[in-house]
Amino acid sequence: GDSVTQMEGPVTLSEEAFLTINCTYTATGYPSLFWYVQYPGEGLQLLLKATKADDKGSNKGFEATYRKETTSFHLEKGSVQVSDSAVYFCALSGTGSSNTGKLIFGQGTTLQVKP
Amino acid sequence: NAGVMQNPRHLVRRRGQEARLRCSPMKGHSHVYWYRQLPEEGLKFMVYLQKENIIDESGMPKERFSAEFPKEGPSILRIQQVVRGDSAAYFCASSRGQGANTGELFFGEGSRLTVL
Repeated sequence: GDSVTQMEGPVTLSEEAFLTINCTYTATGYPSLFWYVQYPGEGLQLLLKATKADDKGSNKGFEATYRKETTSFHLEKGSVQVSDSAVYFCALSGTGSSNTGKLIFGQGTTLQVKP
Repeated sequence: NAGVMQNPRHLVRRRGQEARLRCSPMKGHSHVYWYRQLPEEGLKFMVYLQKENIIDESGMPKERFSAEFPKEGPSILRIQQVVRGDSAAYFCASSRGQGANTGELFFGEGSRLTVL
């Protein structure tokens, strides 16, 4: 079945460092891809999305490119801030005839940014 | 706040008791999804409901778990005869249509169930 694999955390960076969180997926069809962020004590929020190959999603300085050839959707940010400390989830939309609109999530990657 | 509202935020139950978790979707949303987040794990899909209908329950355990979304009132996730393995955060999300088509799943803050 469809699945998402993220790099294990926690990822600890200094402020203004470059961030990459790897995400790869397995899907039988052509899913849409998403990054969600969960701040401490809160629910998940959509960060960015891409709906087809080579699309680039971007928001708040984060970006990710839908790479069909490598089945990847890595999250990047050029200069992280302490306020970016959170758990980041990569997700895909289910594919195939059984798709009911649910999202399939990776296990999450905790990012901690130190001043 | 017109966001997704979940309650209770924290619930403690003893083994064998029942847990009821409630979710009120965002205004105008008629699609509700329930996810479970076990410690150190990602979110696992449980069930997708529209008003008065269960659309996809492929992630629901076969026993003790049930969900409903009545015509009036919140969606309810019910866990009967809870066991320690049910301890988790349960998240509800809502969307205007089938969420993945737009990516716009709006999540509540979760209900954290602890089974003693």
